[in-house]
Amino acid sequence: EPEVTQTPSHQVTQMGQEVILRCVPISNHLYFYWYRQILGQKVEFLVSFYNNEISEKSEIFDDQFSVERPDGSNFTLKIRSTKLEDSAMYFCASSDRETYEQYFGPGTRLTVT
Amino acid sequence: QKEVEQDPGPLSVPEGAIVSLNCTYSNSAFQYFMWYRQYSRKGPELLMYTYSSGNKEDGRFTAQVDKSSKYISLFIRDSQPSDSATYLCATLRTGGFKTIFGAGTRLFVKA
Repeated sequence: EPEVTQTPSHQVTQMGQEVILRCVPISNHLYFYWYRQILGQKVEFLVSFYNNEISEKSEIFDDQFSVERPDGSNFTLKIRSTKLEDSAMYFCASSDRETYEQYFGPGTRLTVT
Repeated sequence: QKEVEQDPGPLSVPEGAIVSLNCTYSNSAFQYFMWYRQYSRKGPELLMYTYSSGNKEDGRFTAQVDKSSKYISLFIRDSQPSDSATYLCATLRTGGFKTIFGAGTRLFVKA
């Protein structure tokens, strides 16, 4: 069964450093998403991406964040200058045309020290 | 007012019980209603979705939406220890991309 994969599973970085989180969405999907979940809190939408551009973003997704689909298979989230409060699980998701049917990856745990 | 409200529990039931999980939402523009299951330190897994009001059944799971009261429910029949997880309700407006999640209800099914 096709699935969304994410690497790395755990990333530790120092405050102020740049990180890139990587995702391989399900191959025939058209829409790609990033969510985050701070420990003990709800899953929060960050951004959606379709046809090589951002289709919607939340207020959390400020100038320190960017997304890219550098090739036909990968989808990345870059955090330019990490802060302590960026520590969270980051989930990638993808969907076909039915955007209510999103499939999530296992997540990358980001720890900012 | 939060867009989606969900009691975080925990909810503990004996094996075989019927479980009722509930959420309320505030925005009438939401048309899609989803239930996800999340195991500890894993990604959310889509269980079911419904469009607008009504019921939808899939095996032991039934999802129910009452748009007049902005109330979403998930019923699990014959609950199993393997159903122990956090259940997240979620909503989406038609044509939207931003899924709004509830806080999740932790469910424990005791053997």
